[in-house]
Amino acid sequence: EVQLVDSGGGLVQPGGSLRLSCAASGFTFSSYAMSWVRQAPGKGLEWVSSISNSGGSTYYADSVKGRFTISRDNSKNTLYLQMNSLRAEDTALYYCAKVPPTGYSDVWYFDLWGRGTLVTVSS
Amino acid sequence: QSALTQPASVSGSPGQSITISCTGTSSDVGGYNFVSWYQQHPGKAPKLMIYDVTKRPSGVSNRFSGSKSGNTASLTISGLQAEDEADYYCCSYAGSSTYVVFGGGTKLTVL
Repeated sequence: EVQLVDSGGGLVQPGGSLRLSCAASGFTFSSYAMSWVRQAPGKGLEWVSSISNSGGSTYYADSVKGRFTISRDNSKNTLYLQMNSLRAEDTALYYCAKVPPTGYSDVWYFDLWGRGTLVTVSS
Repeated sequence: QSALTQPASVSGSPGQSITISCTGTSSDVGGYNFVSWYQQHPGKAPKLMIYDVTKRPSGVSNRFSGSKSGNTASLTISGLQAEDEADYYCCSYAGSSTYVVFGGGTKLTVL
């Protein structure tokens, strides 16, 4: 079955760190760019970060640049998001998403989504 | 405040057609043909419905169609069905610095 399983969310204090994981199965993980998209409670979608299929190129939203790091391990079919210096406004459901080929290195659509993992930043 | 502007809600009766607008600027919607639309049912992950302004992924009903004029993109759903009731988000490429912007979402109610 083609699926993404997000994990690693939880309650963390402001200024703390958390690492999210996304396990992929049912498709050739190393062939696709991947992304993280978040959704604050009761709010809309916000793109967070993307990574090329090889992991050689990474992209970040201004709101997380310098604090979050996206990475992948193609041997383990797993995507990661290291989140440091967390703030209350980072509280959200974080989805990993697969990017279909678009022909462009920095144009991404999201055609397969995980169920999301909830990150709550609070003291 | 979201980068792209969508109406907060729209409604229609079964069998009718509705259109959801998504207004941006020349730096995003108007500047590129890379608009996508996502459907999200309560408690579920989003689903890609339209990409490249007008294209439908395999498996998406042809009742869903996309278009664009200037800085405004639109999603039209024809022959409304109860299962179409959901939140809909537009999304656009916004250049090689901002990359991706989403709309604030539109809640579709099927009366």
